[in-house]
Amino acid sequence: SYELTQPPSVSVSPGQTARITCSGDALPKQYAYWYQQKPGQAPVLVIYKDSERPSGIPERFSGSSSGTTVTLTISGVQAEDEADYYCQSADSSGRVFGGGTKLTVL
Amino acid sequence: EVQLVESGGGLVQPGGSLRLSCAASGFTFSSYDMHWVRQATGKGLEWVSAIGTAGDTYYPGSVKGRFTISRENAKNSLYLQMNSLRAGDTAVYYCARDFDGWAFDIWGQGTMVTVSS
Repeated sequence: SYELTQPPSVSVSPGQTARITCSGDALPKQYAYWYQQKPGQAPVLVIYKDSERPSGIPERFSGSSSGTTVTLTISGVQAEDEADYYCQSADSSGRVFGGGTKLTVL
Repeated sequence: EVQLVESGGGLVQPGGSLRLSCAASGFTFSSYDMHWVRQATGKGLEWVSAIGTAGDTYYPGSVKGRFTISRENAKNSLYLQMNSLRAGDTAVYYCARDFDGWAFDIWGQGTMVTVSS
């Protein structure tokens, strides 16, 4: 299976925009999904099919795709957005997760 | 309320076996593919297994031949039989519902498996 690469950490101040990238060779052919995970909790799906937002997820969460990179953007970051974020995709051998990015709200 | 509740985790010696269970409620369990995903402490997420509505199963190379996923639709239950356990299998194991054929939209709270002598 292939790999998805994320930066280990991203830091932003409240109200600013956070961008978390995920790179993988298969991303031009496969959709990407994003999960938010807070300490001691299960992951929550925040973006599906590169840019769609599930019901109940705030509008400040958005996703985009360009070539081999997908990006999760959080506009107007709030303290409650501090969490680990994982991208995920799939190929013929199964589901693949990125290594995760810790978002710190300064 | 849509819910998944895992159970069966615990401490097991290397080479031992353990069976995890996941009780589903609030949705038509038989209509969904289901998965197990694990997370070692302080580490990332790793997909462990999947089972389709027809009982077809899928595994990554890291657990293939050692883990067996199964389901019992009449009991709205998902299982993971883990054999020949290794220290590297130590993790929180999550049960998750399939979404879109590629992802996971509902997760349980997880059950901890510790493989140690």
